Amino acid sequence: DAKTTQPNSMESNEEEPVHLPCNHSTISGTDYIHWYRQLPSQGPEYVIHGLTSNVNNRMASLAIAEDRKSSTLILHRATLRDAAVYYCILTPFTGTASKLTFGTGTRLQVTL
Amino acid sequence: SAVISQKPSRDICQRGTSLTIQCQVDSQVTMMFWYRQQPGQSLTLIATANQGSEATYESGFVIDKFPISRPNLTFSTLTVSNMSPEDSSIYLCSVVPAGRNTEAFFGQGTRLTVV
Repeated sequence: DAKTTQPNSMESNEEEPVHLPCNHSTISGTDYIHWYRQLPSQGPEYVIHGLTSNVNNRMASLAIAEDRKSSTLILHRATLRDAAVYYCILTPFTGTASKLTFGTGTRLQVTL
Repeated sequence: SAVISQKPSRDICQRGTSLTIQCQVDSQVTMMFWYRQQPGQSLTLIATANQGSEATYESGFVIDKFPISRPNLTFSTLTVSNMSPEDSSIYLCSVVPAGRNTEAFFGQGTRLTVV
């Protein structure tokens, strides 16, 4: 299975944009890129996913490199509530969110 | 979306005993999974709960230790058997709803401490 690599931690000031990187150099042509986050004392929650094109939703944007070997989750204005562990996950074929393989993720700290 | 109720939310158990964790979903879902999150660690998939048949276990997890039931499309249980302190973890139920299979929903988890 293709692996993902993320920084262990990042810090951001509140109301500033945050760019969370993910490297997946061994991604296959049919792997989807998913992002989940886990707030303190909660189960993970879905953030966004994509295949090749950049994606936007109400929570975040996902920028995918042209060669698909890396991607970046963008939080446009971080708030204290965005402090969480963010996981970049690859899923094969159809992008079905089954059998997710969680890496170590990036712990995002947001300060005033 | 899918709303998941997981019970109990936490428990403290004696070693050698068993605990059954329940996962109830407010709608029918195609797939249900059980994950474990050891202290300070990421999530690891234990098994896929199959409706009407035996669960499918991931490497390192066996049915005798983690028996799973899924009698219908909205309910599943995970039992942690013959517990030891090493089983102290958060156990999470996850579902993928029918017709929205690109997004997984997770319960709040069951925090288990074995003493």
